[in-house]
Amino acid sequence: GDSVTQMEGPVTLSEEAFLTINCTYTATGYPSLFWYVQYPGEGLQLLLKATKADDKGSNKGFEATYRKETTSFHLEKGSVQVSDSAVYFCALTQGGSEKLVFGKGTKLTVNP
Amino acid sequence: DVKVTQSSRYLVKRTGEKVFLECVQDMDHENMFWYRQDPGLGLRLIYFSYDVKMKEKGDIPEGYSVSREKKERFSLILESASTNQTSMYLCASSLGQGGTGELFFGEGSRLTVL
Repeated sequence: GDSVTQMEGPVTLSEEAFLTINCTYTATGYPSLFWYVQYPGEGLQLLLKATKADDKGSNKGFEATYRKETTSFHLEKGSVQVSDSAVYFCALTQGGSEKLVFGKGTKLTVNP
Repeated sequence: DVKVTQSSRYLVKRTGEKVFLECVQDMDHENMFWYRQDPGLGLRLIYFSYDVKMKEKGDIPEGYSVSREKKERFSLILESASTNQTSMYLCASSLGQGGTGELFFGEGSRLTVL
């Protein structure tokens, strides 16, 4: 079945550092790809998405590009802030379904 | 803004008790979901519902049942709680009809079974 693999955390960075969280997927067909973020004590919320190959999703300074050839959707941010400390989940869905398949999550801590 | 409200943020129950987790959404969404979140395992789908009285099993339905009598409300039921059901439970909803993939989540219900 479909699956998502994220880099294991936790990831600890200093403020203004560059962030990459790797995500690769296994799926038949052409999935849509998502990054969700969960801030402490809150539910998940959509951060960005891409629905076809070579699309780039972006939001709040974060970016991810849908790479079909490497089956990847890595999350990047040029300069992280303390307020970016959260758990980040990569996810996919396909075939018009809204049943998301999630990765295990990567916890990011940004220190001042 | 879409709001998904889970009735209890924290619950403590005893083994064998029947547990109800309630979820309400206010945006007339077609789809509703129950996930459980565990460290190192991420989110796993328990059940989802695509219409009133309609439900489908997710990846880990054993030990759980659900009820959706009204469009806005989706309940998760643990008929006889066990310690391995201690977890964070997340409810979500989505618009439906075409699968945009955006799920709206509640804040979660942390259940401890003693």
